[in-house]
This record gives sequence, structure tokens and C-alpha cells, in this order.
Amino acid sequence: EVQLVESGGGLVQPGGSLRLSCTVSGFTSSSHWMSWVRQAPGKGLEWVANIRQDGSEKYYVDSVKGRFTISRDNAKNSLYLQMISLRAEDTALYFCAREKFGTYIDSWGQGTLVTVSS
Amino acid sequence: QVVLTQSPSASASLGASVKLTCTLSSGHSSYTIAWHQQQPEKGPRFLMNLNYDGSQTKGDGVPDRFSGSSSGAERYLTISSLQSEDEADYYCQTWGTGFRVFGGGTQLTVL
Repeated sequence: EVQLVESGGGLVQPGGSLRLSCTVSGFTSSSHWMSWVRQAPGKGLEWVANIRQDGSEKYYVDSVKGRFTISRDNAKNSLYLQMISLRAEDTALYFCAREKFGTYIDSWGQGTLVTVSS
Repeated sequence: QVVLTQSPSASASLGASVKLTCTLSSGHSSYTIAWHQQQPEKGPRFLMNLNYDGSQTKGDGVPDRFSGSSSGAERYLTISSLQSEDEADYYCQTWGTGFRVFGGGTQLTVL
């Protein structure tokens, strides 16, 4: 069974940092592009970043460029999102997601909540 | 960059059918999309990917009641024999080099 489990969310002050993790099982993570997607309270889904199988390509939505860094460790079946200079507008539920052939998302985690507030 | 437009809300009666629409922005009518379902307080679930010609591949365990179709820049998700658990938000998604994009989502109410 494909599983994606996020962790690392929490309450952080504006300007602070947080590192999210996603551990996957039930598939070979090194065979897939992976994404982070977020959902602000009461809002829709917003793609944040994705990374190629070998980590050689990374892309970000404009609003997080220079502040967020996506990475992966295929040996640990893990995906990460390092977030710095956090803002109130980064408050959201963050989902880890698997991509099919680097195109559409075909599996999702349950999310980890990040709250940026003083 | 491609934009996906969805109606914010839809409703239909238990046991009836409903057709949700996702519209691709001008110049992007050939794009393939994916449909995702998000039930209340849950993570999203992949339903299917849908090509410009209506061909589709469903996710594991997605009931036959869910089907997709296409016409020009429109991509549709039809849910037949509506059940209470179909009450959810439905999102379309597409992609290109260096970006992924979601529609604003349609909140479906089952009456």
C-alpha cells in the first residue's frame, strides 16, 4: 500500500524556520518526482515545490522562492521542505505528494499543519 | 501560464448525477488534467487523469460512478448515483515544465 506520512509541522513565529519531512512506503521513491502542496485554512490547494527523482531539478511557486528548499533522501525514502523567513501567509496544511511520470499527482499524504503566528 | 477555472459550488440530490467542469485557459485546450477529491477533514485523493480526447486513467479503487469527459477546453467530472460520501471538494490539476497548477475547486453538496 502506498503511504506518505508528513511530519514536522507546528507553531512558529514570523521570520522563523521549520523543516517538514515526508516518509514514504509502498513504492520506490527514487522512481518518482515528488511535490509539496499546501492548503491555507478554508482555501484551495496550492502547489509549492517539486523535485526530480535524482534531485537534479527543483521548481518552486514564486511566493516561496528563496525561502523554501525542497530536497530528498532516496535511501531513507524521505522528502523534505526546509522553510525559512516564514510569514503569516505560509500558514497552511502541507501535503506531500507523489507525481506520476513528473506530471499529475497520483498519491497524497494526510498533511502536517504549519502555523506562523506571534 | 495555464489557468484552470472551476465553479465554486455545485449541488445535486442523493442518487442523482452531477457534472463538474474545469476550464483550461485560452491556448491550452490540449492539456491533460487530473481530478482530485477532498472529503471534509481529509487529505486529497487522486481520482483520474483526463486527456483532451476524453481518455482517462482512474486511480486505484475509484468507483465506476466517477467518469471523465472532454470537449475543447472543458474537462468534466461526472459522478452518477450520488452518495453522501461524495460530498467533498473537487479540484482539477495540470502541469508544465517547472510548474503545477490547481483550479480553485468546486464544493459539491449532496442534498
